[in-house]
Amino acid sequence: GQQLNQSPQSMFIQEGEDVSMNCTSSSIFNTWLWYKQDPGEGPVLLIALYKAGELTSNGRLTAQFGTTRKDSFLNISASIPSDVGIYFCAGAYSGGGADGLTFGKGTHLIIQP
Amino acid sequence: NAGVTQTPKFQVLKTGQSMTLQCAQDMNHEYMSWYRQDPGMGLRLIHYSVGAGITDQGEVPNGYNVSRSTTEDFPLRLLSAAPSQTSVYFCASSYSGGGYEQYFGPGTRLTVT
Repeated sequence: GQQLNQSPQSMFIQEGEDVSMNCTSSSIFNTWLWYKQDPGEGPVLLIALYKAGELTSNGRLTAQFGTTRKDSFLNISASIPSDVGIYFCAGAYSGGGADGLTFGKGTHLIIQP
Repeated sequence: NAGVTQTPKFQVLKTGQSMTLQCAQDMNHEYMSWYRQDPGMGLRLIHYSVGAGITDQGEVPNGYNVSRSTTEDFPLRLLSAAPSQTSVYFCASSYSGGGYEQYFGPGTRLTVT
């Protein structure tokens, strides 16, 4: 099946720093989604991308759909304590609903005081 | 709107027991899906449904059954629980299909002893 490599696995940063993470795929996707998961909760959708090259922001978060359609990037500016959590990328090839989403293994964001 | 709801929140089963994990959504979404989340593995698709009366297998369907008699409900049945099914289970739904934005429930944490 499709493989998604998400990096880094974990990040230890200071409050106020900017954060960058990315996902690469072994095959092309038509959809890239970014989710955040807090402990004991379900993933919450942050940003959805549907077009190669698309750059979309949601507050301090910005995500891009790579032009090769095999990668995506998420940036968080000026991190704050509530940004702590696990960030997942997810991709799909078929928009029609047949295959569902393929998820990366997550980037664990830890903010040091 | 309650969104996607799941019951129970926690469950402990003995090997060989059966049970049903409940999932309901009130957003009139046609697409619903079940994922399992294991440490270091990300989320993996178990089964999905593109509408009432239609279900199909995902990446890891063995040991699970689903049915979709209404748009709102999508229960997941474990036929004979095994320790390998110890996991956190998430139900998700989407208006347009599996390749689009999916919204997740809070999860069911299942332990099989």
